[in-house]
Amino acid sequence: DQQVKQNSPSLSVQEGRISILNCDYTNSMFDYFLWYKKYPAEGPTFLISISSIKDKNEDGRFTVFLNKSAKHLSLHIVPSQPGDSAVYFCAARAESSGSRLTFGEGTQLTVNP
Amino acid sequence: EPEVTQTPSHQVTQMGQEVILRCVPISNHLYFYWYRQILGQKVEFLVSFYNNEISEKSEIFDDQFSVERPDGSNFTLKIRSTKLEDSAMYFCASSEQSSYNSPLHFGNGTRLTVT
Repeated sequence: DQQVKQNSPSLSVQEGRISILNCDYTNSMFDYFLWYKKYPAEGPTFLISISSIKDKNEDGRFTVFLNKSAKHLSLHIVPSQPGDSAVYFCAARAESSGSRLTFGEGTQLTVNP
Repeated sequence: EPEVTQTPSHQVTQMGQEVILRCVPISNHLYFYWYRQILGQKVEFLVSFYNNEISEKSEIFDDQFSVERPDGSNFTLKIRSTKLEDSAMYFCASSEQSSYNSPLHFGNGTRLTVT
């Protein structure tokens, strides 16, 4: 299932700098997108979401951008903190397909002090 | 903050045995889900459950799987006759009824090891 793809398995940034995590999708029916963060031995924790009628949603240090024409979304974290080090999953949902989420592979973010 | 709780955290079973994974969703949530993640692979949808019945299931969720909400708080996933390839992390999740665009809240998972 390649409908949601995170091409970067890992990303390393310095504390205080911006982290940009990317996600691409192929299914044009996706209309709701979410980012989850996952620490080892824990379940995914909801971070932020965006509906396809918007192109940006911001919550504190986290901003998600959606480019529907490019079928691309990104998560910006600024400033990055060491506690942000985790695996970040992009997920998407299509209302026509019911409630299931389709996940990307995840990107391991490491924020160095 | 309310959370989804799953038990046990780790379950080891022999091939062919039945296992039941348990979940307590967030109390005011009405939609319940099971997902799984095989080591090194993506998180995959298994099944969604609403109003005491399955609302959607994936092709993975075959006849050896079943779900149940035996009382007002628990939500269980049963695997009737486990196979080696069922070894995975199983995540329960729940969401509010209020809107289609409500996020799923996940538990910490049960690691199932089939030997």
